[in-house]
Parts: sequence; C-alpha cells; structure tokens
Amino acid sequence: DAGVTQSPTHLIKTRGQQVTLRCSPKSGHDTVSWYQQALGQGPQFIFQYYEEEERQRGNFPDRFSGHQFPNYSSELNVNALLLGDSALYLCASSSPGPVNTEAFFGQGTRLTVV
Amino acid sequence: AQSVTQLDSQVPVFEEAPVELRCNYSSSVSVYLFWYVQYPNQGLQLLLKYLSGSTLVKGINGFEAEFNKSQTSFHLRKPSVHISDTAEYFCAVSDNNDMRFGAGTRLTVKP
Repeated sequence: DAGVTQSPTHLIKTRGQQVTLRCSPKSGHDTVSWYQQALGQGPQFIFQYYEEEERQRGNFPDRFSGHQFPNYSSELNVNALLLGDSALYLCASSSPGPVNTEAFFGQGTRLTVV
Repeated sequence: AQSVTQLDSQVPVFEEAPVELRCNYSSSVSVYLFWYVQYPNQGLQLLLKYLSGSTLVKGINGFEAEFNKSQTSFHLRKPSVHISDTAEYFCAVSDNNDMRFGAGTRLTVKP
C-alpha cells in the first residue's frame, strides 16, 4: 500500500501564476482533505472532498479551489498566487463510513512563490 | 467551532527524562482527539488517537495521552525520551467533518 502520495514534491512559481497540486489517497479511502502549513505553524484546513463534492471549507479565499475525481484522487488549484501562499501543502485521506476517525497524510508539496 | 491550543511552543528536555506536551481543546460537540508528529520536511504521522472508551490512550514509540473531559485537555506524555523523538508535535481535534490543528510544540531532546 503506497499510502497517500502527493505530486510534485517541490514547486517554484511566480506571483500571479496558477498552480495545481495533486493527491492520490490511501487505498480504500474516499475522502480527501487539503491543508496549508506555513513555516513554523500548524496545518490550516483548506477544504475536504467527498463523493466528488466539496463537503467542508476552511477560511480560505476563492482563489483556492479543488476537484475530486471518480477514483478519489484530488487536485488543489490556486490562482493569482501571492507571496503569502508559500507553504507546505498537505493532503490527507480518510476511510469511508459515517465517522472520519483518522487522517493519513502525504509528504506534502512545498510551494515557493517568488 | 472547535479549536486547539498547545500551551508550549518549545519544550527542551534531556535524553531519558520524562516529557509532557500540553493540549487544550474547545468544542460544542463530541470530538475525536489526535496527536501527530512531524519530522523535518515530512508529512504528519499519527502517534495516537482518542475516539471513545478508556481515557488513557497508548500510541506508538512509547507515547501515551490522557483525555480529560472536565478540563478539556489531551496532554501527551512519554516517561523516557530519546534523541530520535526530536520533532514537531501537533494536537488535533475532529468533529467528524474536518480536523483542526494546534500551532505545534517543538520537542528538542538534548544528550
């Protein structure tokens, strides 16, 4: 079992550009959540996808959008990048059922905006 | 809305000494509580979780935590730390919809 995989591992973008980050959940998991972790801080919840729909959203602007595919993989898109978007972006997947009792995390994508 | 407060941003400790990392949470509903560890340039690894039942939870690497509902706390403990325990530790709370993290505690184990 490969666990949660994210790509790319590192990325450098210029202000104003757009970026797409990808996540494949752990086998058997159907729910994917995205987090932003700025340097020296805890992960901040961006949004969660379940059954190809955004189920929950944190306090992030509309520049942050996502998608979930029928195979449960997910993308995070960020438009009009700002320097403050530089962070580690973490994807987490959790198992199906009425209770999301544990999240498994990927290694993250380190985004640097210059 | 739920939230988590980790009371210490940094905890230095000598090798083989005991350690406690403190976590308080707030929520209006029943919650699940977690501790994760993050090594440099890596994702988060689950140490332990409280879902229900016994308030003393044992996890990996010799860590344990105690859920205290009256004090809304979920402190992490280890009786004897190793150099390899040096890492960032995050307490998290989930109400089954999303997971909220504390700001983290940097544990540094010194020889």
